Amino acid sequence: KAGVTQTPRYLIKTRGQQVTLSCSPISGHRSVSWYQQTPGQGLQFLFEYFSETQRNKGNFPGRFSGRQFSNSRSEMNVSTLELGDSALYLCASSPLDMGLAGNEQFFGPGTRLTVL
Amino acid sequence: LAKTTQPISMDSYEGQEVNITCSHNNIATNDYITWYQQFPSQGPRFIIQGYKTKVTNEVASLFIPADRKSSTLSLPRVSLSDTAVYYCLVVTGFQKLVFGTGTRLLVSP
Repeated sequence: KAGVTQTPRYLIKTRGQQVTLSCSPISGHRSVSWYQQTPGQGLQFLFEYFSETQRNKGNFPGRFSGRQFSNSRSEMNVSTLELGDSALYLCASSPLDMGLAGNEQFFGPGTRLTVL
Repeated sequence: LAKTTQPISMDSYEGQEVNITCSHNNIATNDYITWYQQFPSQGPRFIIQGYKTKVTNEVASLFIPADRKSSTLSLPRVSLSDTAVYYCLVVTGFQKLVFGTGTRLLVSP
């Protein structure tokens, strides 16, 4: 089975621009989560989608948004980019439904976003 | 969500057994203990997960005492390729993983 894929792998933007990142989960996985990783804050949860619905959200401003399509593919968007948004953005998919404890998540390689 | 505490770093040599202990005093009844491994510029990779007692798979063992307030990840006979950051997480049924600072394991020849 192919793993989680994320595109693009690297991205350079300037302040004020917006960016859209894409994630394709493992086939059959319906849950997709997004994380931001920076040297200062570590790995932080952004949001999670299941069946096109956002079920859980982290403590990020409204500039960060996402969506999931009927084929479980997901996108996240960051508007009005700030220097502090430079980070590795990771997508993870999970095969199991919400409510079952201990779901393993499969991470993609990430998108490295640099904001200048 | 239960907070986890683990050592910031550990050093070992090839062929040795490495034990990384994690404290999670506020773990809830429905929480599972999960460990992830992360190499630089890669996404975390699931290692092992358990609820109580002992769990073993092909790469690691996880020891959880009866009170579940701590857990120990055991890596048998580490190699240079085990150099990575190891995260201990307490996970509920929700899909939100809360990562701490992790333990940086350095394996030397």
